[in-house]
Amino acid sequence: DAKTTQPTSMDCAEGRAANLPCNHSTISGNEYVYWYRQIHSQGPQYIIHGLKNNETNEMASLIITEDRKSSTLILPHATLRDTAVYYCIVRVAEGAQKLVFGQGTRLTINP
Amino acid sequence: DSGVTQTPKHLITATGQRVTLRCSPRSGDLSVYWYQQSLDQGLQFLIQYYNGEERAKGNILERFSAQQFPDLHSELNLSSLELGDSALYFCASSVGGAFSTDTQYFGPGTRLTVL
Repeated sequence: DAKTTQPTSMDCAEGRAANLPCNHSTISGNEYVYWYRQIHSQGPQYIIHGLKNNETNEMASLIITEDRKSSTLILPHATLRDTAVYYCIVRVAEGAQKLVFGQGTRLTINP
Repeated sequence: DSGVTQTPKHLITATGQRVTLRCSPRSGDLSVYWYQQSLDQGLQFLIQYYNGEERAKGNILERFSAQQFPDLHSELNLSSLELGDSALYFCASSVGGAFSTDTQYFGPGTRLTVL
């Protein structure tokens, strides 16, 4: 699986959009970008995933650059409950199904 | 609530002992994954079962073993426990199949403390 690089920590004001970047410059054409988050010591929570196109669901939006070497997770109106560690993960479409977690970004939402 | 259940929530035991962690996957999911999260190692994949058979192995110690039963629940057995085995153990499930793009959903975890 391709390696990802994320900032160690970020801050965002409550009610503002939180933009979390992820670099995956060695990503291959058949690899997906997944985002999970972990609130305190709870189980990781799936947020969103995409291959090439931008994706949106009820939790967030995922913007993938045209060359697919980086992506941004957007939480449109961050709340205090969005404070968590956010993991960007690249997975191949076939073969190994495990998730490889990096260190993630610790996002703190401030009141 | 992901639909994945794990028991027990907390487990405190002594070195040298053996424990069993249990996981029930979401309804309809055939794959079960086990992950370990310790302070120094982060979240690491241990093992995957698909429809009762072992499919993939990660950094799982020989003292650890797992199985998936016909009703698809899974158990992770940890034996000869050491202080370093203290960690959060998460189970995840997915529909499974040949392709890995099916999403994994995680349970709330079991916190194991070895004294």
